[in-house]
Amino acid sequence: KNQVEQSPQSLIILEGKNCTLQCNYTVSPFSNLRWYKQDTGRGPVSLTIMTFSENTKSNGRYTATLDADTKQSSLHITASQLSDSASYICVVRGASGTYKYIFGTGTRLKVLA
Amino acid sequence: GAVVSQHPSWVICKSGTSVKIECRSLDFQATTMFWYRQFPKQSLMLMATSNEGSKATYEQGVEKDKFLINHASLTLSTLTVTSAHPEDSSFYICSARKSRDRVGRAEETQYFGPGTRLLVL
Repeated sequence: KNQVEQSPQSLIILEGKNCTLQCNYTVSPFSNLRWYKQDTGRGPVSLTIMTFSENTKSNGRYTATLDADTKQSSLHITASQLSDSASYICVVRGASGTYKYIFGTGTRLKVLA
Repeated sequence: GAVVSQHPSWVICKSGTSVKIECRSLDFQATTMFWYRQFPKQSLMLMATSNEGSKATYEQGVEKDKFLINHASLTLSTLTVTSAHPEDSSFYICSARKSRDRVGRAEETQYFGPGTRLLVL
């Protein structure tokens, strides 16, 4: 069964600190992996997208890594800000021709002043 | 850009009434739109895939007679929750995928709307 699992489920950090969120998936064949940020009560907003051949992708203070061999991805947030408080969702699309996204369970991040 | 809007942003209704939620792609045409439901502290669950001009494809366990989807144009899809009950209270999010361009290239990226919060009393 195609699954996407994220850890930790929730995380609290102090403003200015760094953090890393994890995503493990079993989706095969694999097309791409995305990280989304979802503020409370809002729709998801794309942060990064990586294909099979990409190992890392940055978007400002967000850096995503991908190891397609071990089927693992991480999202590293540098110098966290209060506005980073949100849910971060790992989304995988398989290469089977369907455009369906397989969503992870998300990590709820809270940044404290 | 690729902006998707939803209307209303939130709605409160009495049990037994029907509620219509609109999803619009503002600056692009979308042959395919997706409807998701999200319960508190859970991830998005795909309800159905909506294709312009044809019947929607529903995911297993989603009642098509309860969640009516209409995708009458390339920029608008609607989700109607019929005879809503308290257990239908949720956050409904749509996404849209751009139509193929003039040379037939397809973009698989889904652009998400801001969501609609439904509360059924």
